[in-house]
Formats: sequence, C-alpha cells, structure tokens
Amino acid sequence: GQNIDQPTEMTATEGAIVQINCTYQTSGFNGLFWYQQHAGEAPTFLSYNVLDGLEEKGRFSSFLSRSKGYSYLLLKELQMKDSASYLCAVMDSNYQLIWGAGTKLIIKP
Amino acid sequence: GAVVSQHPSRVICKSGTSVKIECRSLDFQATTMFWYRQFPKKSLMLMATSNEGSKATYEQGVEKDKFLINHASLTLSTLTVTSAHPEDSSFYICSARDLALSYNEQFFGPGTRLTVL
Repeated sequence: GQNIDQPTEMTATEGAIVQINCTYQTSGFNGLFWYQQHAGEAPTFLSYNVLDGLEEKGRFSSFLSRSKGYSYLLLKELQMKDSASYLCAVMDSNYQLIWGAGTKLIIKP
Repeated sequence: GAVVSQHPSRVICKSGTSVKIECRSLDFQATTMFWYRQFPKKSLMLMATSNEGSKATYEQGVEKDKFLINHASLTLSTLTVTSAHPEDSSFYICSARDLALSYNEQFFGPGTRLTVL
C-alpha cells in the first residue's frame, strides 16, 4: 500500500531551526510537496521536489532523497507565525497526491 | 496568479437538507478539480477527482449519490452534499490543477466549514 510517515507533533523555540522529516512508500513518484496549514484554513504551498537535493526558498528549505524515500522540511529563524501543521504529500504514478497526516509544529517564545 | 475560491466559507444546515459548495478557479483553467474533506487534527482525505465535462471519479468508500460533483466548466466545480447528516459535518476543501504548469501543483481553495445540526 501507499504510505506517508511524518511525526505527529514537534516543538521548537522562536529563532531556532527545526527539521520535519517525511518518509514515503508510493506506487510511482512524480514529486513531493510540502504544504503549510494553519488551523481552520486550507493548505498553502511551500515547496516541490522532484530531483534529489536541497531546494532553498528563504527561511524554508526542502530536501529529497528518492533512493531513500525520504524528505525533510527545514525551517530557519523560526517565528511565532510558523506555528501550523506541515503536510508532506507525494504525487504518485497516477498524478494523484498521497497525503501524510501532517506534523503540528508548536513554536514557543 | 492561480487563485481558487470557494463559496460559502461556512454553512450551518439542518439534518436532511442539501448543501451546495462551489469551487472556482479565478485566473486559470482547471482541467482537473479535487474535493477533499478534513476532520479535526487529521490530514486531507481525497473524496473525488473531477475532470471538466466528464463524470467524477470517487475514492473508495465515498458515496457518489450522497456527494454529487459537477464540473461543468473549466473554472467551476460544485459539490452537493445531499440529505446531510451530522456525521457529514467537516471541513471541505477543493483544489484545482492546471496542466499547463510544469509540475501539476494543486491550488487550494480556502475551504468550507459545514456544520449539520
């Protein structure tokens, strides 16, 4: 079956760095997405990786290793507004998104 | 660009009534639209995929007669929850895809909070 695993909850301190991991097993691979979702709102796009390596976009970076079925989202210089759920999603061979359950990130002052 | 709107944002209805939710792509043509529901503290659950001009493809366990999906144009899809019951209360989110983009990103609407009394 298809499976996306990510931690349920993480806590970090304002100004620090946090890494959210995601491992996946899917039928085919057409890219991995990271989305941010604040409570009661729809997800917003953060990043997309289809090739191995690190993609950097401001304070956020995303890494992919296809051979390991592994990705991480790195958040630097954490701000209180970064408190949200972070969803990992993989696009399978049918171009359908398979979603992880999300990681709730709690930022403390 | 790539904005998706959803209407209404919140709806409260009585059990047994039907509710229609609209999803519109405002500045692009959405060849495919997706309907998700999300329970509190849970991830997105894909309900169905709809392509313009054809019948929607429903995920296993989703009742097609209860959740009617119409994708009549390249910018509009509707989800109608028929004979709603309290267990249908959820956060419904649509997303749209433009195959002209390079990596099939889905753009999400803001969601509709449905409460069935």
